[in-house]
Amino acid sequence: QSVLTQPPSVSAAPGQKVTISCSGSSSNIGSKYVSWYQHVPGTAPKLLIYDNDKRPSGIPDRFSGSKSGTSATLGITGLQTGDEAVYYCGTWDTGTWDPSLRGWVFGGGTELTVL
Amino acid sequence: QVQLQESGPRLVKPSETLSLTCTVSGGSINGYNWGWIRQSPGKELVWIGKIAYHGHTEYSRSFEGRVTISLDSSNNQFSLSLISATAADTAVYYCVRDLDWKNDYWSQGTLVTVSS
Repeated sequence: QSVLTQPPSVSAAPGQKVTISCSGSSSNIGSKYVSWYQHVPGTAPKLLIYDNDKRPSGIPDRFSGSKSGTSATLGITGLQTGDEAVYYCGTWDTGTWDPSLRGWVFGGGTELTVL
Repeated sequence: QVQLQESGPRLVKPSETLSLTCTVSGGSINGYNWGWIRQSPGKELVWIGKIAYHGHTEYSRSFEGRVTISLDSSNNQFSLSLISATAADTAVYYCVRDLDWKNDYWSQGTLVTVSS
């Protein structure tokens, strides 16, 4: 069971918008920056969003991130078939409540299907 | 563009040591933190540990006592060593650059199988 909770799958039609949620706790999302990664199996995972809502250069503004309290959300607008991938949220857990969790923690991944 | 590539045995016998090396190209290993993450089949991403450019290491408690991460600045590489491997260590292993609360570059990942 992952420390961060994501829905296993989401789907939408081309051109539509989806959001992917990521829920954690005060020792991780509640106190640290969240990042999001796009993973097409067989390729290197790609950083999409960092510091909750910033995009690295080269990432289109169709991708957005936000954080509120102990939850974060990834938004993707103008869906394209090329967006089909597994999306992961990640952050640092301080280990405040469970020292065994100190370190990077990730969600279980959300598989996006563009119908 | 920074690129990371793992190398090492893809098949390890139980009780032996799992060893992987990550070669960094397109940038210097100096000045950054570097880490290892793995994903067992059908499971979530699991952080193993990281090493800073000056050699300080931090490991997940889940692997403490079994793991060593080391740096070879002269060859722009860093390595993972996991002793007493078991079938539970069968996973895709990724090496990453850990920079200011984000893993901004990842390797493609390599499947290491622990089996006799």
